[in-house]
Amino acid sequence: EPEVTQTPSHQVTQMGQEVILRCVPISNHLYFYWYRQILGQKVEFLVSFYNNEISEKSEIFDDQFSVERPDGSNFTLKIRSTKLEDSAMYFCASSENSDRRNEQFFGPGTRLTVL
Amino acid sequence: AQSVTQLGSHVSVSEGALVLLRCNYSSSVPPYLFWYVQYPNQGLQLLLKYTTGATLVKGINGFEAEFKKSETSFHLTKPSAHMSDAAEYFCAVIEDTGRRALTFGSGTRLQVQP
Repeated sequence: EPEVTQTPSHQVTQMGQEVILRCVPISNHLYFYWYRQILGQKVEFLVSFYNNEISEKSEIFDDQFSVERPDGSNFTLKIRSTKLEDSAMYFCASSENSDRRNEQFFGPGTRLTVL
Repeated sequence: AQSVTQLGSHVSVSEGALVLLRCNYSSSVPPYLFWYVQYPNQGLQLLLKYTTGATLVKGINGFEAEFKKSETSFHLTKPSAHMSDAAEYFCAVIEDTGRRALTFGSGTRLQVQP
């Protein structure tokens, strides 16, 4: 069964460093998303991406964050200068098309720890 | 803005007992409603969803949920709990304003006692 994959599973970085979290969405999906979950808090939406541009973003997704689809399979989230409060589990998701009723398929997540 | 409330951060039931996980949303117009489950070290998996039509929806693993507009609720139930149901359950909504972002509740951790 097709699935969303994410690498790495755990990333440890120093405050101020740049990190890139990688995702491979399901191959025929067109919409891509990033969510995050700070320990003990709700899963929060960051950004959605369609047709090579950001479709929607939350207040959390400030200038420190960027997304890219560098090739036909990967979808990346970059944090330019990490802060302690960026420590969280980051989930990538994808959905088949623009129908909002469609399921968003989630990856297993990348745990980011900022020291 | 939408909000989703899940009553009870932890619920414990005995194996074979009824499972009831509560979810209420705030909206003047019914949104699309989802229940996701997260097993340890795994991603979120869709259990079931309500978009339109029949208000009682059936999902995987014997779970079902009923959309009650008058109560703004979408509670998740399963008649008989199994040990394998132990996981964290998240209720989520998508606003009806054209957005695709899921708004999640805070989650309910279900424990199943033998």
